[in-house]
Amino acid sequence: QKEVEQDPGPLSVPEGAIVSLNCTYSNSAFQYFMWYRQYSRKGPELLMYTYSSGNKEDGRFTAQVDKSSKYISLFIRDSQPSDSATYLCAMSVGSGGSYIPTFGRGTSLIVHP
Amino acid sequence: GAVVSQHPSRVICKSGTSVKIECRSLDFQATTMFWYRQFPKQSLMLMATSNEGSKATYEQGVEKDKFLINHASLTLSTLTVTSAHPEDSSFYICSANPGEGQAKRGGYTFGSGTRLTVV
Repeated sequence: QKEVEQDPGPLSVPEGAIVSLNCTYSNSAFQYFMWYRQYSRKGPELLMYTYSSGNKEDGRFTAQVDKSSKYISLFIRDSQPSDSATYLCAMSVGSGGSYIPTFGRGTSLIVHP
Repeated sequence: GAVVSQHPSRVICKSGTSVKIECRSLDFQATTMFWYRQFPKQSLMLMATSNEGSKATYEQGVEKDKFLINHASLTLSTLTVTSAHPEDSSFYICSANPGEGQAKRGGYTFGSGTRLTVV
C-alpha cells in the first residue's frame, strides 16, 4: 500500500461545478497537509496547506483534513476552465521527522466551458 | 515570493550521451535542494537531496553514478544524467527548501521542470 493514495482521474466537470478532490493516507504521523496545482509541463505550485485536522478556506478553495479517517479533501467552488490542471496532495511529518512532502500521484481535472 | 529557475525546459538527446539540468534559486539562498522525477500520471518521486558544499543524499534505488548532483553554491544545483538511455526519459523537477518556517507551511518552491527525451 502506498503511503498516499490519490485517484488519477481524469475528472471532467462543467464550468461552475463544485469539484471535490480527495486523498487517503496510511502514515498517522503526517501532520502537515498540502495541495499543489500543476499545469501541464510545469512544476507544482502550492495552493493550500493545513496543519493537523480541520478546514481552511481561501477564496474558491476549501481544504479539509480528517486525521481520524486519514482522509483529506480539496473543494473548488465555481470551477473555471483555468482550474484545469493536475492537483497533487502532499503531506509531511514535520518536526521530529521531515518536512519534505510525500506526494500523491495527482488527479487530473478538466473544467469544460 | 521565492522563485526557482530551471533550465532547460525540454531536451532531446541521443542514447549514451549526458545531459545537465540546472536549478537556480533567485533572490534567496537554498542550502538544500531536492530533485524529483515524475512519470506520466505518476506522483513526484524524490530522487535525491543536495546540500550546498557536501555530497548529495540519494533515495533508495537511485543510481548515484548515473544521476550526478552538484550543489556548489547556495543558488545553484545541477543534475547530470550520465550515459542516458530511453528509460531515463522523464520529467525532472527541482525544488528548494525555503527555510523551516515556510517548509512547515508546505512552501517548497519548485522549478518549472525539464522534459528529457532520450532517443
